[in-house]
Amino acid sequence: QKEVEQDPGPLSVPEGAIVSLNCTYSNSAFQYFMWYRQYSRKGPELLMYTYSSGNKEDGRFTAQVDKSSKYISLFIRDSQPSDSATYLCAMSGGGATNKLIFGTGTLLAVQP
Amino acid sequence: DAGITQSPRHKVTETGTPVTLRCHQTENHRYMYWYRQDPGHGLRLIHYSYGVKDTDKGEVSDGYSVSRSKTEDFLLTLESATSSQTSVYFCAISEPHQGSAYEQYFGPGTRLTVT
Repeated sequence: QKEVEQDPGPLSVPEGAIVSLNCTYSNSAFQYFMWYRQYSRKGPELLMYTYSSGNKEDGRFTAQVDKSSKYISLFIRDSQPSDSATYLCAMSGGGATNKLIFGTGTLLAVQP
Repeated sequence: DAGITQSPRHKVTETGTPVTLRCHQTENHRYMYWYRQDPGHGLRLIHYSYGVKDTDKGEVSDGYSVSRSKTEDFLLTLESATSSQTSVYFCAISEPHQGSAYEQYFGPGTRLTVT
């Protein structure tokens, strides 16, 4: 069983929809949770970073962490065609070297 | 891309040949990482560095070596390339924050094909 599980999709939604992307994990030592966006043939781009449980909002994006359920989510409001990309969750137990464990990514397509 | 460049961006090589990929950063970040990305596996850590001449192995280090003789450069070498090393390779950097984790920022990637 992988430490981090993420539905690969693809997920197709109409423009303006609310998108929910999710990851589950098994390692209770994870404390730092990140979401990356990756456009085709580009490097991952850090989108959201959250420490421990709770919510964090940045514009149209909201990241949620539920450590009791070992479940994290990224919500995208008013989705745009430019949001079409692969979304990767990543998490870490912290420490000096901050090794990140990544999900496999969810491919999102927002249809105009 | 947070001041990170990777070279070459594309490479095709033959099985058994050595290959070196270069990651260059311009902002003196202490930590540097090499990942490979494959369908169904996501990003997996190959090696990382926490300072000049200080390196350690990640989860998929077999067949790879690294060197860091200067803060700005982190080299990944495939000692004898195999077809299983066909992948997209990403370099990343991070910098400590007081009381925080170290967000990682990625370069543009190198697409390597071993024939």
